Amino acid sequence: RKEVEQDPGPFNVPEGATVAFNCTYSNSASQSFFWYRQDCRKEPKLLMSVYSSGNEDGRFTAQLNRASQYISLLIRDSKLSDSATYLCVVNDYNQGGKLIFGQGTELSVKP
Amino acid sequence: EAGVAQSPRYKIIEKRQSVAFWCNPISGHATLYWYQQILGQGPKLLIQFQNNGVVDDSQLPKDRFSAERLKGVDSTLKIQPAKLEDSAVYLCASTTGAGIRTEAFFGQGTRLTVV
Repeated sequence: RKEVEQDPGPFNVPEGATVAFNCTYSNSASQSFFWYRQDCRKEPKLLMSVYSSGNEDGRFTAQLNRASQYISLLIRDSKLSDSATYLCVVNDYNQGGKLIFGQGTELSVKP
Repeated sequence: EAGVAQSPRYKIIEKRQSVAFWCNPISGHATLYWYQQILGQGPKLLIQFQNNGVVDDSQLPKDRFSAERLKGVDSTLKIQPAKLEDSAVYLCASTTGAGIRTEAFFGQGTRLTVV
């Protein structure tokens, strides 16, 4: 089993749609979680950290379920500029801050 | 604040040749990562340094890959000899390493093509 697994995608949605991405992780000792965004042929950039109580930043909401070892990202009112690959990242601080990436979920927002 | 610098941006080599990549992390960042990202996949951790010590290199193919961070600042990643399957983007990232929610900053990567 992969350490971090994401929905395979791609997701093709119209502008204004709501879309949700799911991610599961295998190491129950993992301590912090992130969503990164990667545009085509660019480097990954941090989108959101995921806090245990869930957190929201504008149109983006991230949630964590430690019991199920599951992380989600919800994007509301999708914009064309949201088209990118979304990477789920898990950090195990006890392993010296090892950052493990999922395979990414591609989102394409169409007019 | 300057970001993570990587060079070269692009490299094309023949199989069995050697190649080296360079990374200069953000000033003061103790933790440095090298990732390999094959087209269509997520970044795969190759090696992680904390200052000049190796924290994790469990997925580094040590028969052909090597990395060093001698003075705890710059780092180099070398492949010798290269194989066709090494074609990928090699990403360097750095963090302060100070806490569990510390953000990782990435360089623009080196795109390697092995022919």
